[in-house]
Amino acid sequence: ETGVTQSPTHLIKTRGQQVTLRCSSQSGHNTVSWYQQALGQGPQFIFQYYREEENGRGNFPPRFSGLQFPNYSSELNVNALELDDSALYLCATARQQETQYFGPGTRLLVL
Amino acid sequence: SQQGEEDPQALSIQEGENATMNCSYKTSINNLQWYRQNSGRGLVHLILIRSNEREKHSGRLRVTLDTSKKSSSLLITASRAADTASYFCATDVGQNFVFGPGTRLSVLP
Repeated sequence: ETGVTQSPTHLIKTRGQQVTLRCSSQSGHNTVSWYQQALGQGPQFIFQYYREEENGRGNFPPRFSGLQFPNYSSELNVNALELDDSALYLCATARQQETQYFGPGTRLLVL
Repeated sequence: SQQGEEDPQALSIQEGENATMNCSYKTSINNLQWYRQNSGRGLVHLILIRSNEREKHSGRLRVTLDTSKKSSSLLITASRAADTASYFCATDVGQNFVFGPGTRLSVLP
C-alpha cells in the first residue's frame, strides 16, 4: 500500500463526453504527476503539479487538464473524449522530485 | 526509440532461477528507478539508483548503473512465482519521469 488512492477504479464513457479522475496524495507529498498507460505499454507522462502549479507537461493536447488542491490532492480532467483515450490513468505523488508512489489507477473505457 | 527501453520485452524462467532485465536510455539523468506492475495495476517502486552510484542492493534485487553506456540492469535472484509481473525503468527528464515499455517476466512454478 502506497497511501495514494484514486477514484473511481473503473469508468465507461462515450466519445465526446468529459471525465474527471481524482487522486489523493500521501501525507507530506507536494508533487503529483499523472500518467496514461495504454495496454501493453509503459506509462506516458501527462503533467505534473507542484504546490498547486503545473510544473511540466508531456505531449498531450490541452483537452487534458488538471488541478492540485491545497491539501495536495489532484484531479485530471479530459474533455471531448476520444476512443484512444481508453487507458489506465495513474497518479503518482512524491516529496519534491524523489521517489514517486503510484496509486492503483483508474481504468477508463471510451466507447 | 524511447528515452528508456527495457530488454528483453518478455522473459520466462523457472522458479529459483535468476532474472536479468536491462534498460538503456539516451540523455543524462539524475537518477534511475525500477518499478514493478502486477496485471495492469499501480506501479510499485523497487529501487532508486543515483547517477553517482554504480550498484545497489535491496533484498533479492541488485541494480547496476553504467552512465558511460547509459544503461542499467535489474537482477532478481532466486525468483519466485510471485515475481511474475512487468518491470519498468524510469529516468528523470526535466520535471517528469520517462518510462520504457517494460519487460514482462513470467516465473513458472
